[in-house]
Amino acid sequence: DAGITQSPRYKITETGRQVTLMCHQTWSHSYMFWYRQDLGHGLRLIYYSAAADITDKGEVPDGYVVSRSKTENFPLTLESATRSQTSVYFCASSTEGGGVETQYFGPGTRLLVL
Amino acid sequence: AQSVAQPEDQVNVAEGNPLTVKCTYSVSGNPYLFWYVQYPNRGLQFLLKYITGDNLVKGSYGFEAEFNKSQTSFHLKKPSALVSDSALYFCAVRDGGATNKLIFGTGTLLAVQP
Repeated sequence: DAGITQSPRYKITETGRQVTLMCHQTWSHSYMFWYRQDLGHGLRLIYYSAAADITDKGEVPDGYVVSRSKTENFPLTLESATRSQTSVYFCASSTEGGGVETQYFGPGTRLLVL
Repeated sequence: AQSVAQPEDQVNVAEGNPLTVKCTYSVSGNPYLFWYVQYPNRGLQFLLKYITGDNLVKGSYGFEAEFNKSQTSFHLKKPSALVSDSALYFCAVRDGGATNKLIFGTGTLLAVQP
């Protein structure tokens, strides 16, 4: 039972480079989410997806791009990384519903932008 | 707009003593409230949720939370703290609309001393 996995777990990159963070879930959950975790801010939603090919912006989408061609995958791309995007990134998934279902989180990706 | 506040950055408690981690919320409509826990270098794990019904909600690992509508609070409690309860705790509220979007508080670090 793999659940929800993220790769890489750690990444160091340089300003201006493109970086893609991967998220994969084995439950066939409809909803998937990307959050970033920063001290003093808690978790902030970057993008979410209600189903394959349906994505929408969250609270802090600028500088990020997502896609969801398959239900199980939800990659997050930083088109041109900036130092302010140094953070811990969490992917999550949940079943379809009216907003009361539990979200299940991956282990996170620690990203350092130099 | 929906929001949650966790007024304490850190809570210190001795092992065996009761613990409380505070959360207040601001929502329009019925509140759907959640508590998640994050252990070091791990993703968030679901503890419990309040959707409707009993004001006292029981969750994982012996935790419970009390929903108080008049005080707009949803405090997390445990009768007897364990050192292993030391972690970062997040309160969250469902965003408005029929989606699974959650808005998280900034987190409270619980430190249980032996």
